[in-house]
Amino acid sequence: EADIYQTPRYLVIGTGKKITLECSQTMGHDKMYWYQQDPGMELHLIHYSYGVNSTEKGDLSSESTVSRIRTEHFPLTLESARPSHTSQYLCASSEPDPGGVYNEQFFGPGTRLTVL
Amino acid sequence: KNQVEQSPQSLIILEGKNCTLQCNYTVSPFSNLRWYKQDTGRGPVSLTIMTFSENTKSNGRYTATLDADTKQSSLHITASQLSDSASYICVVSDRGSTLGRLYFGRGTQLTVWP
Repeated sequence: EADIYQTPRYLVIGTGKKITLECSQTMGHDKMYWYQQDPGMELHLIHYSYGVNSTEKGDLSSESTVSRIRTEHFPLTLESARPSHTSQYLCASSEPDPGGVYNEQFFGPGTRLTVL
Repeated sequence: KNQVEQSPQSLIILEGKNCTLQCNYTVSPFSNLRWYKQDTGRGPVSLTIMTFSENTKSNGRYTATLDADTKQSSLHITASQLSDSASYICVVSDRGSTLGRLYFGRGTQLTVWP
C-alpha cells in the first residue's frame, strides 16, 4: 500500500462546528487531491494541488477549503459543518509522470464524516 | 460529456466461481483505464492499468481487457474468494489536461458468499 494517511478515520460532529481533515503522504508527490464520495456513488474531485502554495477547486462545488504549505500535507477545512456535508472524504496523491501516460493516484483510507 | 458507466450495479456469487464486470466509457481524448478495488470504508487500490495500445492486463486472479475502438473494458475474476467482496471501480483518465483528470464509474458491488 502507498504511504498516504488520513485522520481522523471517523468523525461525528454537530452542526456549526469547524473541522479539519488531515492528509499526509511520505512519497514526496507534488500533486494531491481531495475527493468526496457518497454511498454507491462515484468519487467527485473537490480540490487539487500541483504543489506547495497551489490549490484549485475541482469539479464538484464544495464549501470546504484546502491549503498546501508543505509538500507532504494537504488539510481540508470546513468552517461551519452542516448535515449536507455528511460524506466520505478521500485524499490522494500522484507521482511524477512526465509522459502524462499513467498519472497513478494513490488513495488514503478516507475520513467518514457525519454531521448531526 | 465524459462519462464512465459500469454494470452490473451489484453482483453476488459463490466462492470459487468466476465473474466478469463491465465498463463503458465516453472519455476523450483517452489516456488510460484502471480498475480499482475498494473495500468498505477504505480508499481505492489499483488492480490494473491499461493504455490505448494494451488490450489485456493481468494481476493474479484479476484480468482486465480493453477495446479502445468500442470504448469498453471488462474485469474478469477467476476462482473468487471471500476477500474479493468489495466495490470494483472503473476509472478512465484523459489526456486533455496537465492534471490528468480521472473519471470514475459508480462501481460494481461484488459479494462473494461461502
